[in-house]
Amino acid sequence: DQQVKQNSPSLSVQEGRISILNCDYTNSMFDYFLWYKKYPAEGPTFLISISSIKDKNEDGRFTVFLNKSAKHLSLHIVPSQPGDSAVYFCAASRNFNNNDMRFGAGTRLTVKP
Amino acid sequence: DAMVIQNPRYQVTQFGKPVTLSCSQTLNHNVMYWYQQKSSQAPKLLFHYYDKDFNNEADTPDNFQSRRPNTSFCFLDIRSPGLGDAAMYLCATSREGGYEQYFGPGTRLTVT
Repeated sequence: DQQVKQNSPSLSVQEGRISILNCDYTNSMFDYFLWYKKYPAEGPTFLISISSIKDKNEDGRFTVFLNKSAKHLSLHIVPSQPGDSAVYFCAASRNFNNNDMRFGAGTRLTVKP
Repeated sequence: DAMVIQNPRYQVTQFGKPVTLSCSQTLNHNVMYWYQQKSSQAPKLLFHYYDKDFNNEADTPDNFQSRRPNTSFCFLDIRSPGLGDAAMYLCATSREGGYEQYFGPGTRLTVT
């Protein structure tokens, strides 16, 4: 039962343009959402998060938007850089308790120079 | 730098031959996790330790066991690996009540 879904396995964007990565979830009990970034041969690293009391969180070039009614979140990267090329995982958990965090399958972002 | 270390990075084992993967951390985090990730799939939580308290996911096969002898180390034991257990195994840690998980680089297990 996949509770977190990233329906686009890959995304290709030109350098300088916006990258939008999408994530859908099915469990309405999720109230904390995270994005992780993974380079080849490395473990995922935390990128940005958002709690369900907000609908937007921004950190530099990265912004996460949460639409609770649609059970949808997205990660915007503006402007995209070649160094952003990686696999991005969406994750969700309940009650700030990440002991039951669920991950999506990831989206591979390629930013072309 | 504080970090999560996994050894070995690549492990080859034979069908049915027990294998142990190790994870160590210098972050002094209370919680340690083991995930299994198969190609193009989401990391799947196998179990986690909250200090010494072991928490197994309901669908984790009995073939998978874990030990945490102290705060710094955690082991994943696969008692009788099958071909379907070939995967990347990720170890992660987090602070008590924290929300970020810190991942190691993973161990890629091949079963022949």
